[in-house]
Amino acid sequence: DGGITQSPKYLFRKEGQNVTLSCEQNLNHDAMYWYRQDPGQGLRLIYYSQIVNDFQKGDIAEGYSVSREKKESFPLTVTSAQKNPTAFYLCAVGAYMVYNEQFFGPGTRLTVL
Amino acid sequence: GDSVTQMEGPVTLSEEAFLTINCTYTATGYPSLFWYVQYPGEGLQLLLKATKADDKGSNKGFEATYRKETTSFHLEKGSVQVSDSAVYFCALSDLYNFNKFYFGSGTKLNVKP
Repeated sequence: DGGITQSPKYLFRKEGQNVTLSCEQNLNHDAMYWYRQDPGQGLRLIYYSQIVNDFQKGDIAEGYSVSREKKESFPLTVTSAQKNPTAFYLCAVGAYMVYNEQFFGPGTRLTVL
Repeated sequence: GDSVTQMEGPVTLSEEAFLTINCTYTATGYPSLFWYVQYPGEGLQLLLKATKADDKGSNKGFEATYRKETTSFHLEKGSVQVSDSAVYFCALSDLYNFNKFYFGSGTKLNVKP
């Protein structure tokens, strides 16, 4: 979706390094989400945030951290504690407490060497 | 808890064939239901949605009807094209559970000319 930017598209890191994935939105929605997708698999929720300065763990939060200092931004840090970080990471945005779809960014493919 | 189950793929069809991808759900509240499509290397795009029982979502020749009695939201298209080849995800959103989305595992569709 044109209103959600994820950068970079491809990211390579050495094992043991922390890396931060960017997600920016101009849709003015309150809720933001991070998902992980492995090849041939569905989406698994890592973290989500309904409002600024608040966020909750999803189903697979271990080894990840987030911040939500601005409405427009929800960066995800993949730490060295994440045992298998190579995956496709998707950021999504949605309206909070409204029957509405989630809008997805183009994704970042992280490869840990 | 809430969950979505969709038929496993891959589904391989010839061009102009009829498509059905089954999706059933479990929800404790009053979910909205969605179908998303993902093309290789991209994020998810909303295909269609339905917010209450008996609603029919439709877009680009695809249709799905929200069946509360059978807890189903099957995706159909009368005549598929090669360009429909993608992965299709069924999802639900529970308004009373912080707008969390629950995704099915995805069904890959291959359409042959």
